[in-house]
Amino acid sequence: EPEVTQTPSHQVTQMGQEVILRCVPISNHLYFYWYRQILGQKVEFLVSFYNNEISEKSEIFDDQFSVERPDGSNFTLKIRSTKLEDSAMYFCASSEFGQGGNEQFFGPGTRLTVL
Amino acid sequence: AQKITQTQPGMFVQEKEAVTLDCTYDTSDPSYGLFWYKQPSSGEMIFLIYQGSYDQQNATEGRYSLNFQKARKSANLVISASQLGDSAMYFCAMREGNPNTGNQFYFGTGTSLTVIP
Repeated sequence: EPEVTQTPSHQVTQMGQEVILRCVPISNHLYFYWYRQILGQKVEFLVSFYNNEISEKSEIFDDQFSVERPDGSNFTLKIRSTKLEDSAMYFCASSEFGQGGNEQFFGPGTRLTVL
Repeated sequence: AQKITQTQPGMFVQEKEAVTLDCTYDTSDPSYGLFWYKQPSSGEMIFLIYQGSYDQQNATEGRYSLNFQKARKSANLVISASQLGDSAMYFCAMREGNPNTGNQFYFGTGTSLTVIP
């Protein structure tokens, strides 16, 4: 069964450093998303991406965040200068255009720890 | 106002019994979708069930069913015949807007379900 994959599973970084979180969505999916979940809290939407551009973003997704689809398979989230409060689990998800439920399939997540 | 409200931070259910997890939502958009996800202690998010705002019948997927009451703006998840493996966090989520254009998802704060042997 196809699945969304994410790398790395755990990333530790120093405050102020740049990190890139990688995702490989399901191959025939057209919509891609990033979410974050601070430990013990709810899942928060960051951004959705379609047709090589951002289609929606939340207020969390400020100038320090960016997303890119550098090739036909990867979807990345870059945090330019990490802060302590960026420590969270980051989930990538993808969905297929036009499906009734527009079900999002989530990846296993990348746990980001900012020291 | 919160888009998704889950008022039960924790629930317990006896194995083999049914349990209902509550979810209410807030939207003025006539087109929306409601989802339930399960998050085990391992952390991954697992899709369980979907209900579209125009669907006439309540969604069912195996032991999961969604009690959709549109006028009350509620979308409760019913798990029948609970199993020990059902112990997890359960998140209700809503997608607003047309699924063919950009859309944003809103998640509730989750309900922690513990199944007791």
